[in-house]
Amino acid sequence: GQQLNQSPQSMFIQEGEDVSMNCTSSSIFNTWLWYKQDPGEGPVLLIALYKAGELTSNGRLTAQFGITRKDSFLNISASIPSDVGIYFCAGLISNFGNEKLTFGTGTRLTIIP
Amino acid sequence: NAGVTQTPKFRVLKTGQSMTLLCAQDMNHEYMYWYRQDPGMGLRLIHYSVGEGTTAKGEVPDGYNVSRLKKQNFLLGLESAAPSQTSVYFCASSYPSGVLAKNIQYFGAGTRLSVL
Repeated sequence: GQQLNQSPQSMFIQEGEDVSMNCTSSSIFNTWLWYKQDPGEGPVLLIALYKAGELTSNGRLTAQFGITRKDSFLNISASIPSDVGIYFCAGLISNFGNEKLTFGTGTRLTIIP
Repeated sequence: NAGVTQTPKFRVLKTGQSMTLLCAQDMNHEYMYWYRQDPGMGLRLIHYSVGEGTTAKGEVPDGYNVSRLKKQNFLLGLESAAPSQTSVYFCASSYPSGVLAKNIQYFGAGTRLSVL
């Protein structure tokens, strides 16, 4: 099946630093989603991207849908303790009746005191 | 707002036992999904449903069965549990893609299953 390569696998940063992570695929998608998962919880949607080249922000988060439709990145500016968690990218091909997300393997973000 | 509710939250089974995981959503979503999450693997789709009475296989369907008898409920069954099915199971629901709906999947909090 399709696979998404998400990097880095983990990040150790200090509070206040900026964060950047990305996903690449061998296949094209027409939607890219970024989710965050806190310990013991399910993933929660952060940002959704629907058009190639689209750049979307949600507070301190910014994500872009790559022009080739095979990649996306997520940036977090001025990190704070509540940013800790696992971030997943997900790609979607929307064909009616066959709409499945393919998830990346996640980026675990840890903030060093 | 309940959203997507999964029961139970935790369960320990012995090899060969059976059980059913229940997912309920109150958002009137057409689509529902079951995923499993294993360390370093992300989320992998087990089965999904595009409407009441319909189900389809995902990426890793073997050893699982599902049923969607009511629009708001999606059941995941393990007929004979194996240690390889130790995982965290997530249910999700969404509208189908369209001008307004955009197929955003909303997830439950997960069921942590251990098979000994």
